[in-house]
Amino acid sequence: DGGITQSPKYLFRKEGQNVTLSCEQNLNHDAMYWYRQDPGQGLRLIYYSQIVNDFQKGDIAEGYSVSREKKESFPLTVTSAQKNPTAFYLCASSMGTLNQPQHFGDGTRLSIL
Amino acid sequence: GENVEQHPSTLSVQEGDSAVIKCTYSDSASNYFPWYKQELGKRPQLIIDIRSNVGEKKDQRIAVTLNKTAKHFSLHITETQPEDSAVYFCAARYSGGGADGLTFGKGTHLIIQP
Repeated sequence: DGGITQSPKYLFRKEGQNVTLSCEQNLNHDAMYWYRQDPGQGLRLIYYSQIVNDFQKGDIAEGYSVSREKKESFPLTVTSAQKNPTAFYLCASSMGTLNQPQHFGDGTRLSIL
Repeated sequence: GENVEQHPSTLSVQEGDSAVIKCTYSDSASNYFPWYKQELGKRPQLIIDIRSNVGEKKDQRIAVTLNKTAKHFSLHITETQPEDSAVYFCAARYSGGGADGLTFGKGTHLIIQP
């Protein structure tokens, strides 16, 4: 969806380095989400946020951190504690009321140098 | 938490035939079930969704059915076309904390044979 922008498209991380993935939306959505996708697998929820200054852990939050200082932005930091970070990372947003559709950005592909 | 199983992992059908993909879920409290289509290297795109207060929903060649008692739901694509080739994911609403995090199946690679 054109209203959700992820950057960069490709990212390389060195051992011991933290990297931050950007997600911006101009859809005025309250809720935002981060998912991880491994080859041949479904998406797994890392973190989600229903409102500014609040976020919750998903199924695989270890080694990741997020912030939600603005409604439009939900950056994800992949820390050095995440030992297997190579994956396709997808950000999504929804209007925030229960059972509203989630729409995805184009993703960031993270690889280890 | 929720667990979603999806079958088959690969489905090959002749162009013009129908395709059916099935999913089961474990959390009886789940009440929202979307389906996404993902082409190689692209974002997942929502193609249809269903809420637990209905049993079936159609949108042109695509339909989804839901059986709450059996905790399974299915995607039906009729008159398949080459552009239907993609990976399809089912999902169920995550009921672990009150937000709309989704639990996804592992995907079905649909191949449309000419």
